[in-house]
Amino acid sequence: GDSVTQMEGPVTLSEEACLTINCTYTATGYPSLFWYVQYPGEGLQLLLKATKADDKGSNKGFEATYRKETTSFHLEKGSVQVSDSAVYFCALSDQGGSEKLVFGKGTKLTVNP
Amino acid sequence: NAGVTQTPKFQVLKTGQSMTLQCAQDMNHEYMSWYRQDPGMGLRLIHYSVGAGITDQGEVPNGYNVSRSTTEDFPLRLLSAAPSQTSVYFCASSYGRGAEQFFGPGTRLTVL
Repeated sequence: GDSVTQMEGPVTLSEEACLTINCTYTATGYPSLFWYVQYPGEGLQLLLKATKADDKGSNKGFEATYRKETTSFHLEKGSVQVSDSAVYFCALSDQGGSEKLVFGKGTKLTVNP
Repeated sequence: NAGVTQTPKFQVLKTGQSMTLQCAQDMNHEYMSWYRQDPGMGLRLIHYSVGAGITDQGEVPNGYNVSRSTTEDFPLRLLSAAPSQTSVYFCASSYGRGAEQFFGPGTRLTVL
């Protein structure tokens, strides 16, 4: 079945450091790919998405590019802030644009001042 | 719009008790789902619904029942709670296939 693997956490960075959270997937066909973010004590919210190969999703300074050849969707930000501290989840929906999402296990990011 | 609302926020049950977690959305979304979040496991799909009167099982449905009598509401029932059901439960909704899912704030459930 479909699956998502993301790098183990936790990740601790200083403010203004560069961030990369790796995400790879296994799926048949051409899934849509998502990054969700969960701030402390809250539900998940969509950070960015990409629906086809070579698409780049971006939001709030975060970017991720859909790489079909490496089945990856790594999350990047050039300069993190304390307010970026959260848990980040990579997810996919299947080729048919299924209502169902398959999530990775999440990566906790802590940014120190 | 309130978005997706869940009640209660916290609940403690004894083994064998039953309860219903409530979920409602005011965005007229057809699709609704329930996930559980456990440490180191990410989110796993319990049940989902693609419209009123239609429900289906997700990855971990055992021990849970759902029904969808209206577009707005999608309650999750635990008929006989077990300690293995201690988790944080999230309800989500979206307007259709491939669309962004909107999540509620979660219910933290502890089963003793």
